[in-house]
Amino acid sequence: GESVGLHLPTLSVQEGDNSIINCAYSNSASDYFIWYKQESGKGPQFIIDIRSNMDKRQGQRVTVLLNKTVKHLSLQIAATQPGDSAVYFCAETGEDSNYQLIWGAGTKLIIKP
Amino acid sequence: GAGVSQSPSNKVTEKGKDVELRCDPISGHTALYWYRQSLGQGLEFLIYFQGNSAPDKSGLPSDRFSAERTGGSVSTLTIQRTQQEDSAVYLCASSFPGHEQFFGPGTRLTVL
Repeated sequence: GESVGLHLPTLSVQEGDNSIINCAYSNSASDYFIWYKQESGKGPQFIIDIRSNMDKRQGQRVTVLLNKTVKHLSLQIAATQPGDSAVYFCAETGEDSNYQLIWGAGTKLIIKP
Repeated sequence: GAGVSQSPSNKVTEKGKDVELRCDPISGHTALYWYRQSLGQGLEFLIYFQGNSAPDKSGLPSDRFSAERTGGSVSTLTIQRTQQEDSAVYLCASSFPGHEQFFGPGTRLTVL
């Protein structure tokens, strides 16, 4: 497991614009990646995941991109809405970590009206 | 159950007292995790249970912290002789190994 105790970076986006949240992961052997959304006062909730044999996966208004060459993961949110305001965490896992999730530091997304 | 549940939702205690936090995972999930989250910060891993294997306790911050998982289901996180720096939200999650974790709503612990 990993500990993350850093203060969160913040991304401010105009309502209706697209948001891109980036994450650099640590282990080149990780084969499964997940994005979570955490709203104030709640536990993290699953948004979308991607396996290492893919480089892109789309959901409803969200797209995850995986670049294994540079160990980079991104979450794109289309037409950002006020309800998208939250902290977004990326997480990685694989056999190396005994399938425990290794969490990124999180990014706070603020939607400007 | 429908999701992961935790109790109590809020706990206020005095410095030096012991507290027990409970987690009921999703039925059938063999993996259970405890995390701690301070205000405005990320998730701090505490402990991980997987089936009948010995738990990974590498994240426990001191020997005042301990956790049990009885019968492969319910888990209890115990903090002895609580300190003010223990104040945080304690989150529990469960999953099938290698799959997405489902989180409970957390227990907000305040140590006065």
